[in-house]
Amino acid sequence: DIQMTQSPSSLSASVGDRVTITCRASQGISNYLAWYQQKPGKVPKLLIYAASTLQSGVPSRFSGSGSGTDFTLTISSLQPEDVATYYCQKYNSAPLITFGPGTKVDIK
Amino acid sequence: QITLKESGPTLVKPTQTLTLTCTFSGFSLSTSGVGVGWIRQPPGKALEWLALIYWDDDKRYSPSLKSRLTITKDTSKNQVVLTMTNMDPVDTATYYCARNLIYLTAGAFDIWGQGTMVTVSS
Repeated sequence: DIQMTQSPSSLSASVGDRVTITCRASQGISNYLAWYQQKPGKVPKLLIYAASTLQSGVPSRFSGSGSGTDFTLTISSLQPEDVATYYCQKYNSAPLITFGPGTKVDIK
Repeated sequence: QITLKESGPTLVKPTQTLTLTCTFSGFSLSTSGVGVGWIRQPPGKALEWLALIYWDDDKRYSPSLKSRLTITKDTSKNQVVLTMTNMDPVDTATYYCARNLIYLTAGAFDIWGQGTMVTVSS
């Protein structure tokens, strides 16, 4: 089975900082990778799909890259409203869908 | 406007069977490439995918829970039903249903329901 890992598990950064979160698959998954943002007490929200395509309505400070086994989510300039937990999710092979363990982002 | 809404019991006893219904609007589950899935999240923990049903009635399950899950759809009612047998306190979680567009979003869940909290306790 393909496992998904994320690093770091949590981070604290200042407003305006560039933030990068990494998601790694134990086997290649092409570009079948999505990123979600979940604010405390809220429903997950799709940010990025197909590894690098920005979902409609998502601010352009969010970007995704990668293919195969290594992927990154970048917030170019962290804003207070970006405080959330971020999850990656794969869609490919067995098991069909797996979420990463999440990365919690706070403001320093 | 596309919406999904979960419904079902908020409390179930251990060993009982949980039945959750996802009622959606704004799209059709008979359209090629469309699926509806279930995802759960125990309090303070990560998201966990459970099951997914496609427009063509293809069904996929999480391997670790496959023996306990059944997913079905009623296209005429715009509903997807998930049953989970032999409930245990570790199954206490918020259960979400979400739309999955395998062709347009490479398998991402683009629209989510509000979630329903299910507690398993005697």
